[in-house]
Amino acid sequence: ETGVTQSPTHLIKTRGQQVTLRCSSQSGHNTVSWYQQALGQGPQFIFQYYREEENGRGNFPPRFSGLQFPNYSSELNVNALELDDSALYLCASSLLRDNEQFFGPGTRLTVL
Amino acid sequence: SQQGEEDPQALSIQEGENATMNCSYKTSINNLQWYRQNSGRGLVHLILIRSNEREKHSGRLRVTLDTSKKSSSLLITASRAADTASYFCATADTGRRALTFGSGTRLQVQP
Repeated sequence: ETGVTQSPTHLIKTRGQQVTLRCSSQSGHNTVSWYQQALGQGPQFIFQYYREEENGRGNFPPRFSGLQFPNYSSELNVNALELDDSALYLCASSLLRDNEQFFGPGTRLTVL
Repeated sequence: SQQGEEDPQALSIQEGENATMNCSYKTSINNLQWYRQNSGRGLVHLILIRSNEREKHSGRLRVTLDTSKKSSSLLITASRAADTASYFCATADTGRRALTFGSGTRLQVQP
């Protein structure tokens, strides 16, 4: 069974740039959720995708967008980066009915 | 916004001692889950307790849930240095699709 993987591990961008983060789901999982975790805080829900459709969204602006592909992998795109976007971005896969989520190792984004 | 709070925010104990962490939440839930995170990396799922359950065990872990008080506790017995990590509770609310996390308890187990 393959776990959740994320790429890249670390990323440094400057304010105003755009970034794409990638996630591969655990084998057999049809749901992907993205979370943002600021330093010293718990993860905050960005959005969830189920069968390529957005299936719920947290309190994040539209410049945070995503995609899910037919193989259930996913992308998180952030436009017009701001300094406060610096955080650990976590992807989690699950079966929608179950809600137990399996997290990837995260992507550490630094915005300068 | 965070769903609730973990208590304490930080805990330091000696190896072999028990560690207890508490979590409070605000809304009706389907289930409550506990996760562990080492050094700012990915979260590892520890245990899930459903809203109709009161207690659950997994190895050295014991979780209780009191829905009337909207609170849960995680007990780690006979702690080890390898248990050093941040522990988060997360709730799956009725009608929501995602987990809502607390702010975490940082556990330090001294060898």
